[in-house]
Amino acid sequence: GENVEQHPSTLSVQEGDSAVIKCTYSDSASNYFPWYKQELGKGPQLIIDIRSNVGEKKDQRIAVTLNKTAKHFSLHITETQPEDSAVYFCAASWNSGYALNFGKGTSLLVTP
Amino acid sequence: EAQVTQNPRYLITVTGKKLTVTCSQNMNHEYMSWYRQDPGLGLRQIYYSMNVEVTDKGDVPEGYKVSRKEKRNFPLILESPSPNQTSLYFCASSFRWTSGELHTDTQYFGPGTRLTVL
Repeated sequence: GENVEQHPSTLSVQEGDSAVIKCTYSDSASNYFPWYKQELGKGPQLIIDIRSNVGEKKDQRIAVTLNKTAKHFSLHITETQPEDSAVYFCAASWNSGYALNFGKGTSLLVTP
Repeated sequence: EAQVTQNPRYLITVTGKKLTVTCSQNMNHEYMSWYRQDPGLGLRQIYYSMNVEVTDKGDVPEGYKVSRKEKRNFPLILESPSPNQTSLYFCASSFRWTSGELHTDTQYFGPGTRLTVL
């Protein structure tokens, strides 16, 4: 089955700096790659996603890049703010979202 | 307000006592799913349902049952809970659409149910 590796497990940045979280996947058939943000006491919330026919997608301060050849994708958050502090999960799916295989999460702390 | 609701939010029970965690969505989504979240293991899928009366196993289905008699509800049943089922459980739902192949839209997650089995 699909195996998704996520790094780093914890990340601390200063407010205003950029944060990058990287994920690799094992199944070359995977075609959908969402990123979720989970705040304390809440369920995961989709923040951005990318499909395999696109190499990069941007939404304001967040962007995701996908390298299908290398089987890795990354989340980039620019101009980080304290409210970006949360746990971020990447996921991969070979059937366009039905069965999401999640990474183990990255705890991001943005210090003022 | 579009949402996925779960009940109860917190539950402490004892080994072997049957329990049900309810999940309901008001977005008319076809697809629903249950995940468990454990420290260091991330989110793992237990069961999913593509539509009414259609369910299938995820990665960790042992010890769980589900049913999908109505589109909006997808209860998770633990017939004989054990301590290794102590976890944080999430229900999720999304639209399902086709354009040559099957796709799902954004998965919306519920707020979670923290279950402790003593």
